[in-house]
Amino acid sequence: AQSVTQLDSQVPVFEEAPVELRCNYSSSVSVYLFWYVQYPNQGLQLLLKYLSGSTLVKGINGFEAEFNKSQTSFHLRKPSVHISDTAEYFCAVSVIGGSQGNLIFGKGTKLSVKP
Amino acid sequence: GAVVSQHPSWVICKSGTSVKIECRSLDFQATTMFWYRQFPKQSLMLMATSNEGSKATYEQGVEKDKFLINHASLTLSTLTVTSAHPEDSSFYICSARVSQGAYQPQHFGDGTRLSIL
Repeated sequence: AQSVTQLDSQVPVFEEAPVELRCNYSSSVSVYLFWYVQYPNQGLQLLLKYLSGSTLVKGINGFEAEFNKSQTSFHLRKPSVHISDTAEYFCAVSVIGGSQGNLIFGKGTKLSVKP
Repeated sequence: GAVVSQHPSWVICKSGTSVKIECRSLDFQATTMFWYRQFPKQSLMLMATSNEGSKATYEQGVEKDKFLINHASLTLSTLTVTSAHPEDSSFYICSARVSQGAYQPQHFGDGTRLSIL
């Protein structure tokens, strides 16, 4: 079975500061990795995904994430955050070759950007 | 591209009524659609997976007769909460995917907030 752990439930940060949202996963088989963002009362929007190749993945809104296989991590980073980045962020995995390709989500990290 | 529309966005109804939620892929054909439930300040819980033209696959613990899912076309899936009760109040989110490949990202609707009085 697969599981996703997001180590921080809440991350407060000041505007223009850097931020890192941590994600670790557990799986006995290879997985694809995703980060999604959810704004209040909305669905989820894909930020970025890791399928293969370069371990540093760049996404939308200036976010990037690095896949570390040995540490089974996929941390999300942004060098300078804006107020508009305030949202809930979810890390997710899906099993490579899985019949349905279901996503397994972490519990989410609420990013609060303060002026 | 890859827009998923979910309707209604908010519904309030009396206990015992049935509620239908629609999920449409507007600019692509979705072979697979997913239905999630999200409790306040928690992650998404997968309820069921539906492939066009076949019966939905429900996750363990989800009542099939309570949550009826229909995926009649490549652009439309519906979730009907039958005889809804206050404990069914939640945020329901659908997603759609172009193909069955796990590498394909899921595209999410904006969710439906269901409140049962």
